Amino acid sequence: EAGVTQFPSHSVIEKGQTVTLRCDPISGHDNLYWYRRVMGKEIKFLLHFVKESKQDESGMPNNRFLAERTGGTYSTLKVQPAELEDSGVYFCASSQVLGTGELFFGEGSRLTVL
Amino acid sequence: DAKTTQPNSMESNEEEPVHLPCNHSTISGTDYIHWYRQLPSQGPEYVIHGLTSNVNNRMASLAIAEDRKSSTLILHRATLRDAAVYYCILSDNYGQNFVFGPGTRLSVLP
Repeated sequence: EAGVTQFPSHSVIEKGQTVTLRCDPISGHDNLYWYRRVMGKEIKFLLHFVKESKQDESGMPNNRFLAERTGGTYSTLKVQPAELEDSGVYFCASSQVLGTGELFFGEGSRLTVL
Repeated sequence: DAKTTQPNSMESNEEEPVHLPCNHSTISGTDYIHWYRQLPSQGPEYVIHGLTSNVNNRMASLAIAEDRKSSTLILHRATLRDAAVYYCILSDNYGQNFVFGPGTRLSVLP
């Protein structure tokens, strides 16, 4: 069974440009999460989808970040325009069972904003 | 979510048991205790979780204090592959919007 896959693994962009990160959850997992770790900080929750609906987006830092989950399958996280402080690793995770179920993480997408 | 406190780092010798402590004195009655670990250049990986009773799985054991204000993750025989950052996380029964702390960086010496 394929795990959570994220693309790209690494993206280098200039400040002010746009980047779109993609996450393919494990098939059948209704719950999809985005987390990120910016340089020197701890991993932080960004948002949670249940199927195509945003269940909790309390961790989204500002309106430069837009997350979508078309048809309840894959998800994209767009940063527009990117700022230097957005550099970090963005993790996607999925789960089948809400609450105490195991959360499966992808390997992350590293974003470098120059 | 309630806060957890872990040592910044620990060291172990290969093939010896490792006990990773976690304090969570403000835990509420509905909080589950989750442990995840992150190997270098990978995303976090589930290790184990529990509520009140001790738990065992193929990776580790979780010992939960009777008052639930602390817990210990036990790796029975550390291997080099177990070198990682271990995170102790509390979460209620409803969400997986985990609050990660700095965790404990475990080094395993050959």
